Amino acid sequence: AQKITQTQPGMFVQEKEAVTLDCTYDTSDQSYGLFWYKQPSSGEMIFLIYQGSYDEQNATEGRYSLNFQKARKSANLVISASQLGDSAMYFCAIRMNSGYSTLTFGKGTMLLVSP
Amino acid sequence: ETGVTQTPRHLVMGMTNKKSLKCEQHLGHNAMYWYKQSAKKPLELMFVYNFKEQTENNSVPSRFSPECPNSSHLFLHLHTLQPEDSALYLCASSQRTATGETDTQYFGPGTRLTVL
Repeated sequence: AQKITQTQPGMFVQEKEAVTLDCTYDTSDQSYGLFWYKQPSSGEMIFLIYQGSYDEQNATEGRYSLNFQKARKSANLVISASQLGDSAMYFCAIRMNSGYSTLTFGKGTMLLVSP
Repeated sequence: ETGVTQTPRHLVMGMTNKKSLKCEQHLGHNAMYWYKQSAKKPLELMFVYNFKEQTENNSVPSRFSPECPNSSHLFLHLHTLQPEDSALYLCASSQRTATGETDTQYFGPGTRLTVL
């Protein structure tokens, strides 16, 4: 079975600074995908970024980038130039690419961005 | 209408009530999911519908009954719930291939359920 670990229950950052949210995973599969989602207080889970296990380049989507270190089984999310609207819960998730696989989520990290 | 919608957004019900949660996706996807999010716990997958067929049921109590009449709509029928069932219920959809590989899951805004 696969597992996601997010060790930071909460993170604080000042506006315009960069922040890294940690995510490590455990799987014996070779083919998988890693996802980050943002959940504001409204409740909706918003997809941010995806990294495939065979992708050689780190994924980037605007201010979001994924620092993928496959040997360390690490998939940290980097948010550059934080904005007040980035304050939310952030979830890392993994999906196996074999069979009818579904997402396994971590417990999340609460990010608070201050002015 | 965009993405995945859920109604109602908030629901308060007694333990003897029967209610239904509705989810609709406008993304042309063929797989839909119900998740439960309780306080301080990771999201828990409840049900998966793939091409309108239920393919997973993660040991969910029978007081939760899903229904998927077509690939765009998903319901969760609730009856005789317990206070510990109070949670945020999230619906998601994705596109799956015949071999089971799946694209990104997109979520709705959730229904916040309180059972008294």
